[in-house]
Amino acid sequence: DQQVKQNSPSLSVQEGRISILNCDYTNSMFDYFLWYKKYPAEGPTFLISISSIKDKNEDGRFTVFLNKSAKHLSLHIVPSQPGDSAVYFCAASDPKDYKLSFGAGTTVTVRA
Amino acid sequence: NAGVTQTPKFRILKIGQSMTLQCTQDMNHNYMYWYRQDPGMGLKLIYYSVGAGITDKGEVPNGYNVSRSTTEDFPLRLELAAPSQTSVYFCASSFRGETQYFGPGTRLLVL
Repeated sequence: DQQVKQNSPSLSVQEGRISILNCDYTNSMFDYFLWYKKYPAEGPTFLISISSIKDKNEDGRFTVFLNKSAKHLSLHIVPSQPGDSAVYFCAASDPKDYKLSFGAGTTVTVRA
Repeated sequence: NAGVTQTPKFRILKIGQSMTLQCTQDMNHNYMYWYRQDPGMGLKLIYYSVGAGITDKGEVPNGYNVSRSTTEDFPLRLELAAPSQTSVYFCASSFRGETQYFGPGTRLLVL
């Protein structure tokens, strides 16, 4: 039973435009959400996170939005750059044991 | 800080062989984790540890064992390798259990 879902396996965007990645979750107990970026043959690297008490967190070109009532979060990348081409994983943390549940990932390709 | 390091980077095993995947972190993190990632899938938790001497099963523990004798090291043991264990294995650590930091991964092929 997958508790975190990324329904778009891939996204192609032109350089300079906005990339919007979406993530849905089913467990209302999740209280911390993270986005990781992964290049081929490397481990995931932490990108940005948000606590359930907030609805927005911004870090440079990256902004994460959380809609608790809809159990939905999104990652905005503005402007998109060629180096942003990677797989992005959404993850959610359960406070009872701090285990992370991961989505299947979205592959972002930024076109020149 | 080297962060989280994993060895080997790549290994080919024959069915029935055993091996240990090594993981070391130098951030003095209490929590450590082992995941596997299969093509087109997210990361699935195999085992985790909240401190030296304490380990617990994750979502997919069958065919694996772990130990945590020190804060720094969290080796993953595969006994009697099977083709279904062909995957990429990632080790991660965190201070208090929220943001996890990952190693570069070990690619394992079981033939």
